Amino acid sequence: EPEVTQTPSHQVTQMGQEVILRCVPISNHLYFYWYRQILGQKVEFLVSFYNNEISEKSEIFDDQFSVERPDGSNFTLKIRSTKLEDSAMYFCASSARPTGGNQPQHFGDGTRLSIL
Amino acid sequence: DAKTTQPPSMDCAEGRAANLPCNHSTISGNEYVYWYRQIHSQGPQYIIHGLKNNETNEMASLIITEDRKSSTLILPHATLRDTAVYYCIVRVRGSQGNLIFGKGTKLSVKP
Repeated sequence: EPEVTQTPSHQVTQMGQEVILRCVPISNHLYFYWYRQILGQKVEFLVSFYNNEISEKSEIFDDQFSVERPDGSNFTLKIRSTKLEDSAMYFCASSARPTGGNQPQHFGDGTRLSIL
Repeated sequence: DAKTTQPPSMDCAEGRAANLPCNHSTISGNEYVYWYRQIHSQGPQYIIHGLKNNETNEMASLIITEDRKSSTLILPHATLRDTAVYYCIVRVRGSQGNLIFGKGTKLSVKP
């Protein structure tokens, strides 16, 4: 069964450094999402992406964050200057069509980001 | 935020059916009910979704009441590997359907 893959599984970075998290969505999907989950807390929406542009973003997704689909398969989340509070699990998801319209999102297993 | 209410935790004996309830009394006519689960800190795993009819797939069954104000996810023969947090989601925000997760139900399957 096709799945969303994320790399690396664990990333350790010094505060203030840039980090790029990578995702390969399911191949025929067109809608892409990033979520995060701080340890012990709820899964929170960050950003959705369609047709090479951001569709929606949450308040968490400030100027330090950016997303890109650099080629036909990868979808990346960049944090420009990491802060301690960016430590979390980051999940990528994809769907064939918008989820509100009877189309589930499928998630990767996440990247654990640890900021020192 | 979430328009759903789920019990915080439930236990189930291995091999028995696990019935996980969800109240969504303010659901609107075009909102689907989605169920996901999260095992440890893995990514949320899609289980099933429905609008008004009952649904069944290889993982579970979804029973939605006629008034659509509540639903039940049924795992027919729970195994230890079904121990997870189960999320019932009816609220999707934005045109792309950004999922809003609540706290879910922690299901513990015991031998």
